[in-house]
Amino acid sequence: GEDVEQSLFLSVREGDSSVINCTYTDSSSTYLYWYKQEPGAGLQLLTYIFSNMDMKQDQRLTVLLNKKDKHLSLRIADTQTGDSAIYFCAESETGGRRALTFGSGTRLQVQP
Amino acid sequence: EADIYQTPRYLVIGTGKKITLECSQTMGHDKMYWYQQDPGMELHLIHYSYGVNSTEKGDLSSESTVSRIRTEHFPLTLESARPSHTSQYLCASSDRSTTEEQYFGPGTRLTVT
Repeated sequence: GEDVEQSLFLSVREGDSSVINCTYTDSSSTYLYWYKQEPGAGLQLLTYIFSNMDMKQDQRLTVLLNKKDKHLSLRIADTQTGDSAIYFCAESETGGRRALTFGSGTRLQVQP
Repeated sequence: EADIYQTPRYLVIGTGKKITLECSQTMGHDKMYWYQQDPGMELHLIHYSYGVNSTEKGDLSSESTVSRIRTEHFPLTLESARPSHTSQYLCASSDRSTTEEQYFGPGTRLTVT
């Protein structure tokens, strides 16, 4: 079955760039997503990338996809304390139910 | 901003009680999902629905049941709560767009004592 892996923790200083990495196993995934979860809240969709793209940029967020290595990354430029949260990558199934398979989440801590 | 709601946000209840976690969305989405989020953060699919009168079990075995009588509502029921049911439950919905991104509710944190 599908498996998505992430490192558990990342600490950066305010103003630096953060890079959160993810590896996945389902090469047939059509879309890959990044979600953000703040304490006590649900998941907020940050961005997604189509599997035939290598890169997508959206303001401070840059998503890189290496399909050959099944590696996805999220770069946050000029990281702020408000970016402190748990970040999940997810891949969508190609079957009918289109459920998401999530990684374990990366806790990003931004130090002032 | 997604219009998907869950109630209650927090629930502490004793063993053996019957509980229903509510989830509703006003976006007219056909597909709805329930995920269980472990204390270690991972999310696992426990139920999903393609539309009215359609419900299926997910990947993680769960003693809960769901119903989908109306498009907007996808409640989850535990007939007899146990401490092992303590977890965060997240509801999501998606439409038929190409990207089919899922929108999540704020979650219900359930504690069974």
